Amino acid sequence: QVLLQESGPGLVKPSQTLSLTCSVSGGSISSGNYFWGWIRQPAGKGLEWIGRIHSSGATSYNTSLIGRVTISLDTSKNQFSLRLSSVTAADTAIYFCVGGAYSNSYVDPWGQGTLVTVSA
Amino acid sequence: QSALTQPVSVSGSPGQSITISCTGTSSDVGGYNYVSWYLQHPGRAPKVLIYDVTNRPSGISNRFSGSKSGNTASLTISGLQAEDEADYYCSSYTSRSTLGVFGSGTKVTVI
Repeated sequence: QVLLQESGPGLVKPSQTLSLTCSVSGGSISSGNYFWGWIRQPAGKGLEWIGRIHSSGATSYNTSLIGRVTISLDTSKNQFSLRLSSVTAADTAIYFCVGGAYSNSYVDPWGQGTLVTVSA
Repeated sequence: QSALTQPVSVSGSPGQSITISCTGTSSDVGGYNYVSWYLQHPGRAPKVLIYDVTNRPSGISNRFSGSKSGNTASLTISGLQAEDEADYYCSSYTSRSTLGVFGSGTKVTVI
């Protein structure tokens, strides 16, 4: 069973860069035809894709975030990361790291989620 | 990419059946059989209930069922239980994005 765990600062200042890491256990991020990604959820609101990366390294990003977002793999640590630059209060949300088989149309597994607040 | 449209809330009594709708367009729900449904309890991560319109992952109760007609997908919960009180989200493949699109979410209350 693949398990995901997010880590990173819970507070980021406006205009700075949000950085989160997702540690993967129970499977290798570089093996098989899998994707790894990030979904966020502002308090009391719905789910929004940030982007995802294929086990080959190919990326797809939410068009509204292109230019600010980077998702990358660290195969040596079996982790993947999110960097979101120039953050504002609108980026305050719970951030979930997620995975899934590329042949599947759904997301599974999910990390437990981590709250990131953008505030001075 | 606009979110798929779901009712804000649906309620029912224990033992009843309820249905949650998820309306999109021919570019997403109506055009592909790649609709999935997720359950999210407060403070928890979402969990997949249904994928590819009608399929249940192993371990998911057969009280949950999915269907689709035209541009609208539906999730039916039969034999409603207190533990079903949660938020529900649909999601669909879309030709407009490689990431897919989520629904706006529905809060289910067991009264």
